[in-house]
Amino acid sequence: SAVISQKPSRDICQRGTSLTIQCQVDSQVTMMFWYRQQPGQSLTLIATANQGSEATYESGFVIDKFPISRPNLTFSTLTVSNMSPEDSSIYLCSARQGNGYTFGSGTRLTVV
Amino acid sequence: AQSVTQLGSHVSVSEGALVLLRCNYSSSVPPYLFWYVQYPNQGLQLLLKYTSAATLVKGINGFEAEFKKSETSFHLTKPSAHMSDAAEYFCAVSEETSGSRLTFGEGTQLTVNP
Repeated sequence: SAVISQKPSRDICQRGTSLTIQCQVDSQVTMMFWYRQQPGQSLTLIATANQGSEATYESGFVIDKFPISRPNLTFSTLTVSNMSPEDSSIYLCSARQGNGYTFGSGTRLTVV
Repeated sequence: AQSVTQLGSHVSVSEGALVLLRCNYSSSVPPYLFWYVQYPNQGLQLLLKYTSAATLVKGINGFEAEFKKSETSFHLTKPSAHMSDAAEYFCAVSEETSGSRLTFGEGTQLTVNP
């Protein structure tokens, strides 16, 4: 199965700033996803990253806050914009290959 | 729309005892079902998956799960718990008709007591 390298693994950011998270997959994958895991909670899908077109966002998530890029079949970025303490979470990317899903190791974001 | 319910946000067992983590799903089409484990400060690791082949699925670390369509369940079991099994466990479902997204349950924190 695919292996995903996600970085940074953690960061502490000032409110009002932005952070870009990167995910690199070691093989071409058809679908990539971005999830948020708030403290003590389950994973919530933010968006599906579409190669060559705009991402598909879930209810409650907007492009201005979470812009996503997917320039090719092995790479995607998620930006958390204009951060507030409520954005403190773990952010994970995922790739689908066949009928399986692989996850990055996550980015633990703390906004102060 | 697909959904997953995990019964019991916290489960505590003794070392060597049976582990049973419950998962019920809702899906309008035959689903794919998954169990993931998350150790503290780590990402998600796939334990096992059901993709419409054998209904009894064996995974890593001695875990297995049985797909029961009549009960819409996919409970995770392990005959004998080990201290290293202490972690958060997530059940997830995906459908081809929902854009292939994974929908997760709320998770079950497993504690193993010596």
